[in-house]
Amino acid sequence: DAMVIQNPRYQVTQFGKPVTLSCSQTLNHNVMYWYQQKSSQAPKLLFHYYDKDFNNEADTPDNFQSRRPNTSFCFLDIRSPGLGDAAMYLCATSRDPEISYEQYFGPGTRLTVT
Amino acid sequence: AQSVTQLDSQVPVFEEAPVELRCNYSSSVSVYLFWYVQYPNQGLQLLLKYLSGSTLVKGINGFEAEFNKSQTSFHLRKPSVHISDTAEYFCAVSDNNAGYMLTFGGGTRLMVKP
Repeated sequence: DAMVIQNPRYQVTQFGKPVTLSCSQTLNHNVMYWYQQKSSQAPKLLFHYYDKDFNNEADTPDNFQSRRPNTSFCFLDIRSPGLGDAAMYLCATSRDPEISYEQYFGPGTRLTVT
Repeated sequence: AQSVTQLDSQVPVFEEAPVELRCNYSSSVSVYLFWYVQYPNQGLQLLLKYLSGSTLVKGINGFEAEFNKSQTSFHLRKPSVHISDTAEYFCAVSDNNAGYMLTFGGGTRLMVKP
C-alpha cells in the first residue's frame, strides 16, 4: 500500500543534542509537510516543500531545519533541542493542489528531550 | 484569513448513542473542508472531505458530515458510536486564498463510555 512512513516512531534525545527525524513516502506526492503537535493541541505547521521549493512558516524557530533530497524523502533537523521541543512530529504529503487539497499523514515521531 | 472553531473540546457519550461534533469556519471564499481522526500516539487519518457537490458527505467508519454554507458549519455525525471511536477529531479548512494549506481547529476529544 502507498503510504507515508516516519522513522523512528519514538526518539529520545538529550537537551542540546542534534536530532534528525525522517519521513518517506511512496505516494509520489509533490508536497511534503512537517507539523509539530503538542499534547492536546492541533498540529502546527512548521514548513513544507512543494517539489524542491522550501516554504518556512514565519513563526518557526531557526532551531528547526528541513531537507528534501528527493521526491520520496524529507528530514526534520532540530539543531539544539530544548525541553519545549518535546512533541509529536507529523509528516504529511499532498498531491499537486491543482488536483487535490487532501493531506496524507504519517504515524508520527514522538520526541522526548531529557 | 480562514479560521476553524471546534465548539466542544470534549464530548462524552455512551456506546451506541448518536453523536455530533461541531465545527464552524470562517472564510471569504469557497472552502474545502475535512475531518481527521487521531488515535493515541498515531498520525491523522482522513474521515471525510467536502470539496464541492452534495452537501452531505459520507466517510469511513460510519461517519457523515453536512456542509452548511449559510451557517458556515461542517458538523460531524455518527448515529451509533462504538468504544473504538474514542479518539481526537480535528476539523480543517482550506481555500483558494490559502493555497493548499490546512487550518486546523483545536480538536474535540470523543470519549465513548460503555
